[in-house]
Amino acid sequence: DTGVSQDPRHKITKRGQNVTFRCDPISEHNRLYWYRQTLGQGPEFLTYFQNEAQLEKSRLLSDRFSAERPKGSFSTLEIQRTEQGDSAMYLCASSSSGRAAGETQYFGPGTRLLVL
Amino acid sequence: EDKVVQSPLSLVVHEGDTVTLNCSYEVTNFRSLLWYKQEKKAPTFLFMLTSSGIEKKSGRLSSILDKKELFSILNITATQTGDSAIYLCAVEANAGGTSYGKLTFGQGTILTVHP
Repeated sequence: DTGVSQDPRHKITKRGQNVTFRCDPISEHNRLYWYRQTLGQGPEFLTYFQNEAQLEKSRLLSDRFSAERPKGSFSTLEIQRTEQGDSAMYLCASSSSGRAAGETQYFGPGTRLLVL
Repeated sequence: EDKVVQSPLSLVVHEGDTVTLNCSYEVTNFRSLLWYKQEKKAPTFLFMLTSSGIEKKSGRLSSILDKKELFSILNITATQTGDSAIYLCAVEANAGGTSYGKLTFGQGTILTVHP
């Protein structure tokens, strides 16, 4: 499978615990994005990497959230001291750069987080 | 702040019907508009539109963009039960002269096709 993969697919945790999600983009893609999707809404942008550099963070990303892409390949998204409001689907997408007008983002299957 | 509004929010039809889904947007420095289909998993890419008036077509699905009126439509003809999904519209804007692909999504249209 050469698409975007995410792990785990589902995570149930208790409020106050830390969780970490992993995303493996399509191998030749240098851009990686994290989105969050709650029930009945479209995905909301969280953060963006070009190679290993984190170039943009949404104000939705509080100081409890941190994302890394240490070698410009896979990325991790960590949520510390989880709250019930963090329950959502966390989607990762990747794209290549250098196209004249826009890039197509391909999404992974998502990690569904439930905070009890 | 960039904004994308889709209508209707939900739609129920019977197999064989034709549907039109709407997407209007307000975005600074528009670059492209994308349509995605989402079933019980990640959004899958359908179309990317960058130029006004040029229809993109894939089988029974087609889409067109009007950059003057700031909207796009997605048409599905001869609907099938497998078309039941959430259809998401997203816009991409330039950022400081170079685009990094940040997408702003609409709420989605939930399409249900009954046999």
